[in-house]
Amino acid sequence: DADVTQTPRNRITKTGKRIMLECSQTKGHDRMYWYRQDPGLGLRLIYYSFDVKDINKGEISDGYSVSRQAQAKFSLSLESAIPNQTALYFCATSDSRDTRSQYFGPGTRLTVT
Amino acid sequence: GEDVEQSLFLSVREGDSSVINCTYTDSSSTYLYWYKQEPGAGLQLLTYIFSNMDMKQDQRLTVLLNKKDKHLSLRIADTQTGDSAIYFCAESRDYKLSFGAGTTVTVRA
Repeated sequence: DADVTQTPRNRITKTGKRIMLECSQTKGHDRMYWYRQDPGLGLRLIYYSFDVKDINKGEISDGYSVSRQAQAKFSLSLESAIPNQTALYFCATSDSRDTRSQYFGPGTRLTVT
Repeated sequence: GEDVEQSLFLSVREGDSSVINCTYTDSSSTYLYWYKQEPGAGLQLLTYIFSNMDMKQDQRLTVLLNKKDKHLSLRIADTQTGDSAIYFCAESRDYKLSFGAGTTVTVRA
């Protein structure tokens, strides 16, 4: 089984709809992150959480919110989706005891029409 | 991340060496990373280098770090078709990663 899972893997939604992307991990890591990937722009950090009670905005948090329901779960919400939120979204985790790397989920491809 | 820059495309013949270059801006970065993204997949950590090292070798991969020029490179020896992917350079800053735009490597026969 994959250590970092994301659901759904693909989603098409309409402008104005609320959408939630979910991330679960079995690595036992305390830190979790949400990124979006756009062609030619690499990955940009949306939100991150260093433990269950800690939520921080990244560089592009406008239009997004997150919830850290448990150490293993971190969800990303788009309250009112807009077309320029069409992108590939990645969840990642890391361990505060070993900050050398982050581990990424397989991604969710979101299309807003 | 505009603070980490890399060229967008590289075409290489199968069996040749590939060299992917990256420049970064934060001299306080502790680690620098190379991630690989194959089509339709997430990011896979390829290798990383601690900022006090100049070079790291791992099988076909060689990472060179020039801290003075803030330049990082990844050399892939004997490039294979399975090396076709997008390669991301990243630097760590305050326990967060800042990524370059990615270099798409195409391996031609």
